[in-house]
Amino acid sequence: QSALTQPPSASGSPGQSVTISCTGTRSDVGGYNYVSWYQQHPGKAPKLMIYEVSKRPSGVPDRFSGSKSGNTASLTVSGLQAEDEADYYCSSYAGSNLGVFGGGTKLTVL
Amino acid sequence: QVQLQESGPGLVKPSETLSLTCAVSGYSISSGYYWGWIRQPPGKGLEWLGTIYHSGSTYYNPSLKSRVTISVDTSKNQFSLNLSSVTAADTAVYYCARDYPPGLKNVDYWGQGTLVTVSS
Repeated sequence: QSALTQPPSASGSPGQSVTISCTGTRSDVGGYNYVSWYQQHPGKAPKLMIYEVSKRPSGVPDRFSGSKSGNTASLTVSGLQAEDEADYYCSSYAGSNLGVFGGGTKLTVL
Repeated sequence: QVQLQESGPGLVKPSETLSLTCAVSGYSISSGYYWGWIRQPPGKGLEWLGTIYHSGSTYYNPSLKSRVTISVDTSKNQFSLNLSSVTAADTAVYYCARDYPPGLKNVDYWGQGTLVTVSS
C-alpha cells in the first residue's frame, strides 16, 4: 500500500485554472470511484473538498471539480482566488476498508 | 454538528506507547459510522493509521498494523489510539476523524489535531 503520487507544487495567477494530479494503481485509484481531495491551510485540519471522484460537499464552491481517468485522478480549481492557496491531498479507497493518501501538493496563487 | 476533540500527552519517550483519545460530540458513536485516526509528521503529508466501527471492528494501515490498536468506548462516546514502541519517526500531529464509509471514502469531520513529540 504505497502513497499516491502528487506533484509537490502547482501554481497559477488569480482567475486562472490549475489542475493537480494524483496517480495510483489499479488497486486503488484505478479500481474504485472513491477518490477524495482535501484542502489544508497552515496549522489547520484538512477540509474535504471532493469525494467519490467528483462530488462536492455542501458549502464547497463549484470552482473546485474532480475527475478520474484510469489510475490518475485530478482536482481542478477554476477562477483561482488568494484563499485557495493551501496544501491539497488526494486519497483513495484501496479495498478491504483500507485507504491511502497522496503526498500532497502545495498550491501557490501568484 | 459533529465535533471531535483529541486529547493525550504531548510528549512520549522512545520505546513507550503513545495513547490518545478522541471525544465525539453532536453524535452518538453507538448509532453507527466509522471513526479513524490520521497523522501528519511536521512538514510532511497525511498518513491513515486505522479505523474502527462502533461494534469494535477495526481496520489498520498494513505498514503499522503490528503497533497500532484502536478501541471504542460507546459509554463515554469516545475512541482511542494506542501506538506502541514509538520512535522519533512517530512525532506528528494526530487527527481523529469520521471515516465513513470506511477506507478514506469520505472523511468529512476532523478534530483540530494534537501534536505528539517522541523524545527522551
